[in-house]
Formats: sequence, structure tokens, C-alpha cells
Amino acid sequence: SQELEQSPQSLIVQEGKNLTINCTSSKTLYGLYWYKQKYGEGLIFLMMLQKGGEEKSHEKITAKLDEKKQQSSLHITASQPSHAGIYLCGADLEGANSKLTFGKGITLSVRP
Amino acid sequence: NAGVTQTPKFQVLKTGQSMTLQCAQDMNHEYMSWYRQDPGMGLRLIHYSVGAGITDQGEVPNGYNVSRSTTEDFPLRLLSAAPSQTSVYFCASRRLVNTGELFFGEGSRLTVL
Repeated sequence: SQELEQSPQSLIVQEGKNLTINCTSSKTLYGLYWYKQKYGEGLIFLMMLQKGGEEKSHEKITAKLDEKKQQSSLHITASQPSHAGIYLCGADLEGANSKLTFGKGITLSVRP
Repeated sequence: NAGVTQTPKFQVLKTGQSMTLQCAQDMNHEYMSWYRQDPGMGLRLIHYSVGAGITDQGEVPNGYNVSRSTTEDFPLRLLSAAPSQTSVYFCASRRLVNTGELFFGEGSRLTVL
């Protein structure tokens, strides 16, 4: 079973459009990480959220951890081709500072 | 700082051969881990360690061994490689206190024929 569910599995958007992707767990998310990966390349750290209701932004990407700490959303404003890639969420599910579990990832394509 | 260094970057093995993927970090991180990445499967945790002398299993530990004799190094051993172990492997580390970013190595692409 997958402890972290990411949705949708894949997404194709037109350049300039906004989009939101999600990461959901039935367990408390003690620490939630978002990473981006270009095909065949390494992982780029986007941001980490720890507190319920916390929201962080980096350039045109905003991530939020809900109050119950069981879901995180990542929102991209005015998408660009450079946003294309695989977005992975990872979390501490067994308490703070425990092993980090990742979801299956979401593949984002941005059409020029 | 070099960060997390993995070697080799590419390796081709025959079924039944053994090999070790090396991982070293120079950030004095307590936590180190190994993941494998397969298409559509995300990152799956193989083994992890929260300090020298301490290791534990992740989601997919079968066929892999690890040890943590020093804070800096966390090698992953394949004792008898199988085609199902063809994958991209990532080593990662982070602090345990005031936990922050999980730092990843560049990945090691392993093919087992």
C-alpha cells in the first residue's frame, strides 16, 4: 500500500495556466518535503513544511500543509516550460525525525 | 562542501555478481538513507540509518545490505545481483535535530543483465 498518495498521477497544462497538485496521507505528516526532478536527473529541493497551516513560497511555487497535517498542496502560478518535470512529496510518517517516505510522484508537462 | 557523494554513477552487472554502491557525506548528518527509483514508482526506501552502528530496513530491503561504521559513510551492498535490481539508486542524508532539507546524491544507474 502507498502511505503517501499523490494526485493527479500526471498533468498536462498550457503555458501560463495555474495548477495545483496534492499529497495526501492517512497518517500525520510530521515533516513534508517537496522535490522536483527533471527526467534522468537528480532531485531539486523545493521546500519543507512542518507546522499545520504553514505556507511557503519560492518564486511562482507555493506549498501549504493543512491544519490537520494530513495533506499538502503545491500550487504553481503562471506555469512555464521550466516547471515541467516530476514532483515528489516525502514525509516523516512515524514521528519527527523518523525515516522519510516518498510518494510515486506527479509528472507535469507544460505545453508552450 | 561536497555534500552527498555517490559512486559509481553507472554500473553494469551480470546476474549473480556482487557490488557495493558507495555513499559519503561531509555535513556530519546523523541520518543517511538509500532509495531506489523505478519508472512510475517514485522513491522507495531500501535501508536507513540514524547514526553510526545503527541501521534499519525500509520498504524494499530484500537483496541489499548496509552498514554504518562511521558518520560519513553508508555503503549499499548487492550480494547477488538480480535483473529486478536494475534501477537508479539515490543516497540521501539530513540532520536529525532541527531537521531540514534531505540532501540527495546525484544517483547511480545500475543495470543487471
